[in-house]
Amino acid sequence: QSVLTQPPSVSGAPGQRVTISCTGSSSNIGTDYDVHWYQQLPGTAPKLLTYSGNNRPSGVPDRFSASRSGTSASLAITGLQAEDEADYYCQSYDSSLSAWVFGGGTKLTVL
Amino acid sequence: QVQLQESGPGLVKSSETLSLTCTVSGDSISSYYWSWIRQPPGKGLEWIGYIDYSGSTKYNPSLKSRVAMSVDTSKNQFSLKLNSVTAADTAVYYCARVTYYYASGPWGQGTLVTVSS
Repeated sequence: QSVLTQPPSVSGAPGQRVTISCTGSSSNIGTDYDVHWYQQLPGTAPKLLTYSGNNRPSGVPDRFSASRSGTSASLAITGLQAEDEADYYCQSYDSSLSAWVFGGGTKLTVL
Repeated sequence: QVQLQESGPGLVKSSETLSLTCTVSGDSISSYYWSWIRQPPGKGLEWIGYIDYSGSTKYNPSLKSRVAMSVDTSKNQFSLKLNSVTAADTAVYYCARVTYYYASGPWGQGTLVTVSS
């Protein structure tokens, strides 16, 4: 069981908007620790998508945006494209575990 | 642009020590923290720990008793040792640069380490 809970799967049609949730607790997201999001395309290494709020590394399109509220965070993807089909992971710091932790991952299927 | 490459044995016997090295190119290892993260086949990601150029480390408490990281600034490399391995340590091991707000990126391509009995 991951400390950060993500839905196992989400899906959407090309052009649509999808959101992926990441639910934590008072010892991680709820304590205002930074939340980062990663994209893992099939058979490849994860890639940093957003960091600390809604900051994107160079080269990441603004179709990807992150937000947070209370003990949860979300990743929104607008204008869904076939190449967005991947696994997505959230990450935050947990003070109870004294460790950086990942969500269990969400598989995005583009219909 | 910075690139990372993991290297080391792909097969380790149970109870022995897993040893991996990450070679960094395109950036000085003295400029950032550097991390190890693993992913068991078909499963999610697990943070192992990170190290800086001076050798200062932070490990995941769940692995702390078995993990050791080191850095070789002359070779622009950092390394991971995990002792007393079991089948549960079978995973793809990634090295990555620790960047803004302790996010990880970019990552190496990963290397699969299988623990055999």
